Amino acid sequence: GQNIDQPTEMTATEGAIVQINCTYQTSGFNGLFWYQQHAGEAPTFLSYNVLDGLEEKGRFSSFLSRSKGYSYLLLKELQMKDSASYLCAPLLRTGANNLFFGTGTRLTVIP
Amino acid sequence: GAVVSQHPSRVICKSGTSVKIECRSLDFQATTMFWYRQFPKQSLMLMATSNEGSKATYEQGVEKDKFLINHASLTLSTLTVTSAHPEDSSFYICSARGAAKSLSYEQYFGPGTRLTVT
Repeated sequence: GQNIDQPTEMTATEGAIVQINCTYQTSGFNGLFWYQQHAGEAPTFLSYNVLDGLEEKGRFSSFLSRSKGYSYLLLKELQMKDSASYLCAPLLRTGANNLFFGTGTRLTVIP
Repeated sequence: GAVVSQHPSRVICKSGTSVKIECRSLDFQATTMFWYRQFPKQSLMLMATSNEGSKATYEQGVEKDKFLINHASLTLSTLTVTSAHPEDSSFYICSARGAAKSLSYEQYFGPGTRLTVT
């Protein structure tokens, strides 16, 4: 079966740095996506890692370790608008491109 | 970037009626479209995967006779919830993947449709 483990909720201060961890066990793995989802809206793409290491994109960075089944999303210089759910989604099978979503981490940014 | 639209954004229907939700890729051709359902504070659950011109592949536990999916063109897929019941009330989200993108596995999500069955 598939399993994703992320913290359910996190709180951080505006301007700070926060790291959201994700561990996964999946049958088949072809990379991992991070999506941001504001309440009542559809997810928006943040990052995709297929190789081990850190991918940096502006204030957001994502790290992957395939051998450890581990990824994290790093958000720098937090802004109030970053309050949202962050979804870790392994890509299971290249043929069907199935993404498997966990329940996500609800991040609240406080002043 | 790639844009996916959904229509309607919100719909309220009576129990027993059918509702059709449209998903369109506006600036690219989507060879594969995905339909998800999300209940409050829960994860996105994949319902089915559809490839243009072929039958949809449904996930285990999803009734294909109740959730009819049609992907007749490279820019349009529809989900019809037949004989809707209150327990079908949910947030339905589609996503689309193009055949030739720089990030070939990325899915572009539509804005979602909030279905309420009374």
